[in-house]
Amino acid sequence: GQSLEQPSEVTAVEGAIVQINCTYQTSGFYGLSWYQQHDGGAPTFLSYNALDGLEETGRFSSFLSRSDSYGYLLLQELQMKDSASYFCAVGAAGNKLTFGGGTRVLVKP
Amino acid sequence: DADVTQTPRNRITKTGKRIMLECSQTKGHDRMYWYRQDPGLGLRLIYYSFDVKDINKGEISDGYSVSRQAQAKFSLSLESAIPNQTALYFCATSDLLAGGQETQYFGPGTRLLVL
Repeated sequence: GQSLEQPSEVTAVEGAIVQINCTYQTSGFYGLSWYQQHDGGAPTFLSYNALDGLEETGRFSSFLSRSDSYGYLLLQELQMKDSASYFCAVGAAGNKLTFGGGTRVLVKP
Repeated sequence: DADVTQTPRNRITKTGKRIMLECSQTKGHDRMYWYRQDPGLGLRLIYYSFDVKDINKGEISDGYSVSRQAQAKFSLSLESAIPNQTALYFCATSDLLAGGQETQYFGPGTRLLVL
């Protein structure tokens, strides 16, 4: 099966940078995804990494190291609207996605 | 119009009642999922279906059943609701791209309270 670990909560101030780490154990690994969920809302897709390295999408970047079974989501220039929960998810051969427990990010003024 | 819709959005029911949550999608995806989310926790998979004739149990399927009526419709039933099934329920669909990338698209959720 698959398992993922990520911190439960991170607090930072507006304008700061936050890094959310995700370590995983899986077989037949395809890629690592990140989803964002605001309170009361549905999860929405943020990014996907299949290969080692950094993928940048605006203020958000996602990194993957397949050899270390590790990835992170980097949130830069934090804004109040970035307060949300962030989930990493692994895709493996023949299987559905498996989600981590989520990291709650609280952005303070 | 939303690509993934869920009905009802909110439901209050009593212990022992049978209820059905419905999910419809217009994305043309074969894969559909039902998740449960409890306050402050992650997403737990209840059931999933990779096509109309395929139904699979997830990690917490006890007390639940599903029906895949068509490619676009996937229903979740609670045969005899109990209070610890009070939760937020999400339906999701996905497409599987070349290379194995799977992106899931979630419905708005159904908030269920079992008294």
